[in-house]
Amino acid sequence: NAGVTQTPKFQVLKTGQSMTLQCAQDMNHEYMSWYRQDPGMGLRLIHYSVGAGITDQGEVPNGYNVSRSTTEDFPLRLLSAAPSQTSVYFCASRPSGAREKLFFGSGTQLSVL
Amino acid sequence: AQTVTQSQPEMSVQEAETVTLSCTYDTSESDYYLFWYKQPPSRQMILVIRQEAYKQQNATENRFSVNFQKAAKSFSLKISDSQLGDAAMYFCAYRKYSGGGADGLTFGKGTHLIIQP
Repeated sequence: NAGVTQTPKFQVLKTGQSMTLQCAQDMNHEYMSWYRQDPGMGLRLIHYSVGAGITDQGEVPNGYNVSRSTTEDFPLRLLSAAPSQTSVYFCASRPSGAREKLFFGSGTQLSVL
Repeated sequence: AQTVTQSQPEMSVQEAETVTLSCTYDTSESDYYLFWYKQPPSRQMILVIRQEAYKQQNATENRFSVNFQKAAKSFSLKISDSQLGDAAMYFCAYRKYSGGGADGLTFGKGTHLIIQP
């Protein structure tokens, strides 16, 4: 019963490097999303997906790409990391019903030097 | 755009006492959902309680209850019989209702709750 699994838990990048944050869920949830959490701020939505092959932008999408080739996986790509992307990143999923509870992963702490 | 405001950056309460965390929001929608999430030092986001805007009755989950005032756009969380394990950041969040359920959550900046033994 893994739920939402994020890897890695911690990552340090240099400015300009690229990397992919992985997110996988084993609950067959249609909806998946990525949030970032900065100090003193609540979580802000980066991108989301309502099913395989369908993605859309959230509140702060610049600098990030996503794709959804399977129901289980929803990776977040940083093409050219910037210090402003230093943050804690959360992946979350839920069934497609509007009132359904959102299940969060344990987060990835990313530092860009 | 919707906004969620938590005006108390930090609150402190004695163990076994009752504490109320405040949250206000701004929206032009009539159908929406409100949530309180708890984030302990482990960083895990844990749903505490959920309220549907169309329901007049305030939600309750054991020691946690809300005071939902739709006209005032207020959604406070009351924690009764506070326990040491309640110490955490608490986030208020909003999501508008949409048929496809695609909208994300809008979060407040959080309230850091300290429990004094």
